[in-house]
Amino acid sequence: AQSVSQHNHHVILSEAASLELGCNYSYGGTVNLFWYVQYPGQHLQLLLKYFSGDPLVKGIKGFEAEFIKSKFSFNLRKPSVQWSDTAEYFCAVKGNTGKLIFGQGTTLQVKP
Amino acid sequence: EPEVTQTPSHQVTQMGQEVILRCVPISNHLYFYWYRQILGQKVEFLVSFYNNEISEKSEIFDDQFSVERPDGSNFTLKIRSTKLEDSAMYFCASRRLVGNEQFFGPGTRLTVL
Repeated sequence: AQSVSQHNHHVILSEAASLELGCNYSYGGTVNLFWYVQYPGQHLQLLLKYFSGDPLVKGIKGFEAEFIKSKFSFNLRKPSVQWSDTAEYFCAVKGNTGKLIFGQGTTLQVKP
Repeated sequence: EPEVTQTPSHQVTQMGQEVILRCVPISNHLYFYWYRQILGQKVEFLVSFYNNEISEKSEIFDDQFSVERPDGSNFTLKIRSTKLEDSAMYFCASRRLVGNEQFFGPGTRLTVL
């Protein structure tokens, strides 16, 4: 069965700290992977995506993620977080029928 | 930049009542989706729609649910007889024919009392 697992449910960081959010997926086909962000009171927005090619993908707002096929992982990173990064972060994989399969989400709280 | 819009932003209804959640996808998109997120849980796929028919539905999407694209712009989700456990945030999404990115609307928070 296709599934996505996010290891951290709630992360609290101080500004300027580095961030890494874990994501593992279970899917046997060609993977299309996504990280979405949901700022308080706003809708889901795409941070970055991986379809093929360079396994290190860069997204908006300084975020990047690395696809490691052997580990079935797609971890999200940012070298230095800001207070404005406070949000919920969702990892997702596109299933073979086009639907997105989401992880449980990670709430990131950045303290100023 | 074009966006997916959803109305209403919040709907409160009594158990057993019918609700219709409305979405206006991005105009040149051809695939449409509904997802829901129960408070504190993950975002779950409900249904996908293409070429005026359902292309896939989840186990959640039982006979109480239906979708429609009545006029070429709106995409609606109807729940015929709401239950308490239908309380959730419902997200609509759409994507182009080519490409994998789904664009999400802001969601409708449905509260069933």
